Amino acid sequence: DIQMTQSPSSLSASIGDRVTITCRASQSISNYLNWYQQKPGRAPKLLIFAATSLQSGVPSRFSGSGSGTDFTLTISGLQPEDFTTYYCQQTYSTFITFGGGTKVEIK
Amino acid sequence: QVQLVQSGAEVKKPGASVKVSCKASGYTFTDYYIHWVRQAPGQGLEWMGWINPNSDGTHYAHKFQDRVTMTRDTSINTAYMELSRLRSDDTAVYYCVRVVQIVGGLFDYWGQGTLVTVSS
Repeated sequence: DIQMTQSPSSLSASIGDRVTITCRASQSISNYLNWYQQKPGRAPKLLIFAATSLQSGVPSRFSGSGSGTDFTLTISGLQPEDFTTYYCQQTYSTFITFGGGTKVEIK
Repeated sequence: QVQLVQSGAEVKKPGASVKVSCKASGYTFTDYYIHWVRQAPGQGLEWMGWINPNSDGTHYAHKFQDRVTMTRDTSINTAYMELSRLRSDDTAVYYCVRVVQIVGGLFDYWGQGTLVTVSS
């Protein structure tokens, strides 16, 4: 199976900061990379699909980049509701895998 | 509006089986795959497999291949996930997800989750 490694596993930031989360695949996955946000006790929510495309209704402060094996999720101008956990996911393989998650905490 | 409504929480003993249901509404059930994802307490997301409600075809993650069965009933727009030979480490919230087959799959609508607790 394709391994997805997210880093960091957690980070501390302040409201208004720009933060970047990275996701590395164990092999090339082209642009078959999605990002999700999950709040405690809730189901995940799709933010970014195909590495760079913003899901409808998601604020434009979220953006994605990358292709091949290295990807990033950037949040430009952290808002209070953004302090939660983020996951990457590859759908290149028919055996789908997720990254381990990144928890964004308030500094 | 699209909704996936799952069955309620379950408590099972080790070695037993559990069957979770996922009732879809607000869209044509047979037009989208249903995937299942689980999340152990305090842990990350783990993909389990999918069912194609149109063809009844299934595809399972290696880890669950010998213990999971995904089915559907198109007459009531409901998908099911049954996991057998339960162990304590199967304790998790189980989610059903509607998936758009674009770029490998977009997990766009999720059920509310079903907590399955395995304990003696």
